[in-house]
Amino acid sequence: DAMVIQNPRYQVTQFGKPVTLSCSQTLNHNVMYWYQQKSSQAPKLLFHYYDKDFNNEADTPDNFQSRRPNTSFCFLDIRSPGLGDAAMYLCATSSDRAAYEQYFGPGTRLTVT
Amino acid sequence: GQNIDQPTEMTATEGAIVQINCTYQTSGFNGLFWYQQHAGEAPTFLSYNVLDGLEEKGRFSSFLSRSKGYSYLLLKELQMKDSASYLCARRTGANNLFFGTGTRLTVIP
Repeated sequence: DAMVIQNPRYQVTQFGKPVTLSCSQTLNHNVMYWYQQKSSQAPKLLFHYYDKDFNNEADTPDNFQSRRPNTSFCFLDIRSPGLGDAAMYLCATSSDRAAYEQYFGPGTRLTVT
Repeated sequence: GQNIDQPTEMTATEGAIVQINCTYQTSGFNGLFWYQQHAGEAPTFLSYNVLDGLEEKGRFSSFLSRSKGYSYLLLKELQMKDSASYLCARRTGANNLFFGTGTRLTVIP
């Protein structure tokens, strides 16, 4: 089945130790998004790629970076995780910017120790 | 911020009807979404409104009034599996979604 896949589902990292979360999709969608969702809060858009065009939200900290080597894969890099970065990280895709439906992956829950 | 407001929690009885309200900032509005999110899982798409009125999809309906910055999600014939968080989100510009904090619905027997 076509889907959005996130690995790992659970990630534990140490304070200040770089960590990478991965997302892949079999939907062949042009747009891929990364959201951060802290406990009992709304998902918050960090950035998105439209094909190779990277679009950062104004309030996304520099600590968060992203790479999209090809259509199928997108990575979220956290260069120096702090305790406040512990959250669920959700990847989503849509067929293009005009498409209204975003398809979400199951998320990666990040713990920072 | 995006000023999306929805109740934090609601409780309803199995078989009943429940309405979850959402108000939002109207500037730059380009569509209103409802997503369902079970605990520990990803949000799943329920409905999308861009014009005023009611959109019906099975047991779920969503209403939009653009002039009032208001939407609601109506769930009929509630089932236990409908216990989840319901997220209201508005779209601006290039398909950027801004979510409310969600309404946690508990369905009781």
